[in-house]
Amino acid sequence: DAGITQSPRYKITETGRQVTLMCHQTWSHSYMFWYRQDLGHGLRLIYYSAAADITDKGEVPDGYVVSRSKTENFPLTLESATRSQTSVYFCASTTTSGASPPGEQFFGPGTRLTVL
Amino acid sequence: DQQVKQNSPSLSVQEGRISILNCDYTNSMFDYFLWYKKYPAEGPTFLISISSIKDKNEDGRFTVFLNKSAKHLSLHIVPSQPGDSAVYFCAARHQGAQKLVFGQGTRLTINP
Repeated sequence: DAGITQSPRYKITETGRQVTLMCHQTWSHSYMFWYRQDLGHGLRLIYYSAAADITDKGEVPDGYVVSRSKTENFPLTLESATRSQTSVYFCASTTTSGASPPGEQFFGPGTRLTVL
Repeated sequence: DQQVKQNSPSLSVQEGRISILNCDYTNSMFDYFLWYKKYPAEGPTFLISISSIKDKNEDGRFTVFLNKSAKHLSLHIVPSQPGDSAVYFCAARHQGAQKLVFGQGTRLTINP
């Protein structure tokens, strides 16, 4: 599929388990982002990546790990899930080529994660 | 510290009337401001943006106004249509960066 995809779309897990959320984009965008959406907080940046093997923390990185070995993939891992990590997670990508309005990011459909 | 704030969690507007969504920010180093629209079970989609050196940008029924002295931006939708019912997020980009800071979102409901 063209565009940006996330898997799984829904996930239920238990406290303490490791969970990996997948993100894949077909545009070869250099930048990729992970956000979580929570009521009253909007979208908060967890981690982002400027290119393969370059990642940096966002606003709420604690409890999360990312990697980017290939430009098109940006997995997010919760090493030991906690109930406070119950949320909807969005992956996004963007390019600096000038083809899009500055700042425009393209979002995946989201993963709804529930930690019991 | 919330750098971008949307103080109205919800807004209800009659079909055909104007919808005005508001957003305030605190950081003077933002260079672009964007509005995103989000339907349930979908990711946000880009709607319209404005450069910090402009005070107005228009795209069809959507107009964004920027008041830098007040650190305030607004999105006007006119006329409002039922398909405009969604959650709207304002976002700001740090100068020279690609990261965005989002507001909390406003749920807009257009009533027939």
